[in-house]
Amino acid sequence: QVLLVESGGGLVKPGGSLRLSCAASGFTFSDYYMTWIRQAPGKGLEWVSYISSSTGYTNYADSVRGRFTISRDDAKNSLYLQMNSLRAEDTAVYYCARSRYSESHSDYWGQGTLVTVSS
Amino acid sequence: DIQMTQSPSSLSASIGDRVTITCRASRSINNNLNWYQQKPGKPPKLLIYAASSLQSGVPSRFSGSESETDFTLTISSLQPEDFATYYCQETYRTPHTFGQGTKLEIK
Repeated sequence: QVLLVESGGGLVKPGGSLRLSCAASGFTFSDYYMTWIRQAPGKGLEWVSYISSSTGYTNYADSVRGRFTISRDDAKNSLYLQMNSLRAEDTAVYYCARSRYSESHSDYWGQGTLVTVSS
Repeated sequence: DIQMTQSPSSLSASIGDRVTITCRASRSINNNLNWYQQKPGKPPKLLIYAASSLQSGVPSRFSGSESETDFTLTISSLQPEDFATYYCQETYRTPHTFGQGTKLEIK
């Protein structure tokens, strides 16, 4: 079955860095776009970034562009999010999700990993 | 960016009620509109994609419709497990904006 498992969350000070990972299994990872979506405590969902299949084209929300970098390793069936210059407003549960192409829906999501930015 | 205005923000209803939730897009998004259900502490679950297509395994009491830039999620007869928060999301242009959410509570 399709499984997405995020890891790497934790407590980090403002200005710090963190790298999230998403391990995928149960499907052909290289065939899918992969997306990061976050949810601040008690708030709604915010699309963060996606990376395409094959070409590795990336796109970012304005709120994270220049600070976050999405990447993938198809050989390891893994997705990553390098987060630098973290701010308090980046505190959220971060979910990875798959979609067949950029305009399509995310049909499977991971359980999420919590990132807390606080001094 | 495309704005998604979801309404209502909260809704109280009873078991067996018919419920509708609406999302309005700030511009045309074709039918690139998806609906998710989220329960506390869980990731969102896809219900409806491409405005009106029912995701596999989702009960048929859930349905979606569209009229130009207005999109509707309908639950035909509320069941206890349907009390949750619902989100729409456009996937026409990045950023793939979500609606603000609708919290569906038991009356």
